[in-house]
Parts: sequence; C-alpha cells; structure tokens
Amino acid sequence: AQKITQTQPGMFVQEKEAVTLDCTYDTSDPSYGLFWYKQPSSGEMIFLIYQGSYDQQNATEGRYSLNFQKARKSANLVISASQLGDSAMYFCAMREDYNTDKLIFGTGTRLQVFP
Amino acid sequence: EAQVTQNPRYLITVTGKKLTVTCSQNMNHEYMSWYRQDPGLGLRQIYYSMNVEVTDKGDVPEGYKVSRKEKRNFPLILESPSPNQTSLYFCASAGDRAYTGELFFGEGSRLTVL
Repeated sequence: AQKITQTQPGMFVQEKEAVTLDCTYDTSDPSYGLFWYKQPSSGEMIFLIYQGSYDQQNATEGRYSLNFQKARKSANLVISASQLGDSAMYFCAMREDYNTDKLIFGTGTRLQVFP
Repeated sequence: EAQVTQNPRYLITVTGKKLTVTCSQNMNHEYMSWYRQDPGLGLRQIYYSMNVEVTDKGDVPEGYKVSRKEKRNFPLILESPSPNQTSLYFCASAGDRAYTGELFFGEGSRLTVL
C-alpha cells in the first residue's frame, strides 16, 4: 500500500494566485514527520517545509504553508501568491519515528505557473 | 558552505562496466543515504548509513553496494551496471538518525547505462 499519495500528477496556476498541492499519508505510528521538497528543472531537491505529528499549529515558511489535517491524514502544501519560479516538481515525504532511517516519498506533482 | 557533493553529475556508461558515484558532506553528519529517482515512482531509498562502518539496505538495494569508511564519505558502487539502473541518483545527509528537520540533498547524478 502506498504510504504517501499525491493524486495530482500536474497542476496549473496563474501567477499571483494561490495553489494547493495534495498529499495524503498512511501510518499507524503516532509519531511521524511530514516534509515537502521542491525539485526545479535543474534537478536539485530543495527543502520547503516540515510538520511534526504532534505540532499543534500548521507549519509556515514564507509563502509556503502546510495544511495539516491529522484525522484525515492529509498534509497539503499551500503556495500563496505563486511566482513563475515556483514552476517545479513537488514531493511530499514522510518519516515514521519507529523507522527514522528513511523518508518515504510520494510520486510528485508537477506545478506550472503561467503569467 | 554546508553542502553534499556528488560526482559525477552526469555519466553514460555501458552494461557491466563498474562505476562509483562519490558522495561527500562537510556538515559532520552521522546519517547518510542514497536514493534513486525514476519517473512516476518518486524517490526510493537504496542504502543508508547511520555512522561509520554502519550501513543497511533500503527499499531497492539490488545491484548496488556502499561503504562508509569515513564519516564524510558515502560512495555508491555499481559493480556490474545494467540498463535498469539508468536513473537520477541522490545522496543525502542529516544530523542524526532521528532527524526532525531537513534532509540535505546533493545535486544529483544522472546515470545512463547503455
């Protein structure tokens, strides 16, 4: 079974608009961490944001926020005021605390921002 | 500057010709890991290491070897590469096993096996 599911292979958004990238996860571990990474066309992996399962508030980093709904097991990334430079592949990932030796990645969502 | 450095960044090779992708980090991190990225599959872990001389298999270890003789280096070895190992490879490191923040990635190594 997929532990991390990103159901949107591709998304389009107009510049300056907000966009939500979906991520659902599956774990029975009560303690875990959720991550979002950005991969531009140049290929490198850029860390965006982290949410711990016990964090009371949704994580925010500049224009990025993580909409964490624990009961629904979702960790959607919200990008506000999209910019052309936000065009990239976005990966959701999870670390389970009983097995901290790896991040489990989703298959990614390709976001394209148009003028 | 804190970084994870991989070499080579691009490589085209032929089936069966042994190759090594080097990975080095300058952050004194204990944890290091190798991932491969394939279209539609995301990133999958190949091997990881929690400290010097401690390595273990990830989800897709077949056809790969690693070693961790020094804390800063974690090379990935393909003894007899095959075309199904054509992929984008990432090395990553973190401060300790129970990292709660960022996993630092190298820039990636794109490997083509003919």
